Amino acid sequence: SQTIHQWPATLVQPVGSPLSLECTVEGTSNPNLYWYRQAAGRGLQLLFYSVGIGQISSEVPQNLSASRPQDRQFILSSKKLLLSDSGFYLCAWSVRGPVGVSYEQYFGPGTRLTVT
Amino acid sequence: EDKVVQSPLSLVVHEGDTVTLNCSYEVTNFRSLLWYKQEKKAPTFLFMLTSSGIEKKSGRLSSILDKKELFSILNITATQTGDSAVYLCAVPGTSGTYKYIFGTGTRLKVLA
Repeated sequence: SQTIHQWPATLVQPVGSPLSLECTVEGTSNPNLYWYRQAAGRGLQLLFYSVGIGQISSEVPQNLSASRPQDRQFILSSKKLLLSDSGFYLCAWSVRGPVGVSYEQYFGPGTRLTVT
Repeated sequence: EDKVVQSPLSLVVHEGDTVTLNCSYEVTNFRSLLWYKQEKKAPTFLFMLTSSGIEKKSGRLSSILDKKELFSILNITATQTGDSAVYLCAVPGTSGTYKYIFGTGTRLKVLA
């Protein structure tokens, strides 16, 4: 069965510090991978998604970046955090199937980031 | 532009009540609609609906899709305090993008 891991679970970082959040998926190959952010009491904001190694689509211009160095690894980074980066960061995966066929999306446990 | 709208935004009921949550959508080349339950942490998958009029059921939860009127409903019967959560619906975006468009969710609180 497939499993998705995220770490760390919680993080408190000062403004201006760098960030690196990691997500890995087990039990599947060639997944689509996603990073979302959820502010307190708000919906899911798609930040990045990737359909393959080195292929990153950015949805929201901001000081965050993403990388996919391996098939089942997705990393979210920032060089300098802002207060507005606080939130709940979720990694998700779905099967990459033919165009026109959709699949469920499954979420990792999330990282709660507080920027102070 | 692809869009998903959920209603109501929040709902408070008592244990044993039945609730109906709504999700309407606008998307080019509709393929499916997904429902999730989010408690304190990550959303957990409930249902994926692809065909109109066919009910999906899991215990006290059920959901149905109307592709003509572009909406779905999620029903929860005999609610329990453990049903308290945010319920999210999502649709895959315009074909070829691999994005999922999420609604802002319905926050359900079930009182004992």
